[in-house]
Amino acid sequence: ELKVEQNPLFLSMQEGKNYTIYCNYSTTSDRLYWYRQDPGKSLESLFVLLSNGAVKQEGRLMASLDTKARLSTLHITAAVHDLSATYFCAVEGGATNKLIFGTGTLLAVQP
Amino acid sequence: DADVTQTPRNRITKTGKRIMLECSQTKGHDRMYWYRQDPGLGLRLIYYSFDVKDINKGEISDGYSVSRQAQAKFSLSLESAIPNQTALYFCATSEPTGTGSYNEQFFGPGTRLTVL
Repeated sequence: ELKVEQNPLFLSMQEGKNYTIYCNYSTTSDRLYWYRQDPGKSLESLFVLLSNGAVKQEGRLMASLDTKARLSTLHITAAVHDLSATYFCAVEGGATNKLIFGTGTLLAVQP
Repeated sequence: DADVTQTPRNRITKTGKRIMLECSQTKGHDRMYWYRQDPGLGLRLIYYSFDVKDINKGEISDGYSVSRQAQAKFSLSLESAIPNQTALYFCATSEPTGTGSYNEQFFGPGTRLTVL
């Protein structure tokens, strides 16, 4: 059974600092997704990672995938308040390509 | 206009009542999903449908039923609501196609359901 773990669950950071969110999963997959959710809002797709070594960047966010380690990272560079949100990773698995979501990381960027 | 819409957006109901949540999409996708979100638990899959004639249970289907009325419409019903079904419910769609395709899902705005 595919399990997905994110850490940390909560991250408070100062503006201008760098940090990384980790997403570990339990069975083989080379399809991983990152989503952002603002409070009370829907999930917005951020990155789609489709192979070992894949790296995607958008603004201050960069996501990478290591399928051998079953690990994806979401790196935040020089955080700004607008990045405050909950970030979810989701791993695609099984014959039906279902997504299994991590529990989310609540990011709070303080001025 | 939003590609995936959900109605109602908010609903308060009482224990034992029947309630239906509706989802419509204009993306032309065949696959549709219902999830519930609870604090600290992420999103959990309730039901999913790969086409009008295909309905499948997810990891937490007990107490729920669904209907796929058309390619564009997928409804979730709670036959007899109970308080622990209080949650945020999301509908999603996807359309993986061809060799090497992937299953990126697109989410509706959510329905906040409170069962008293």
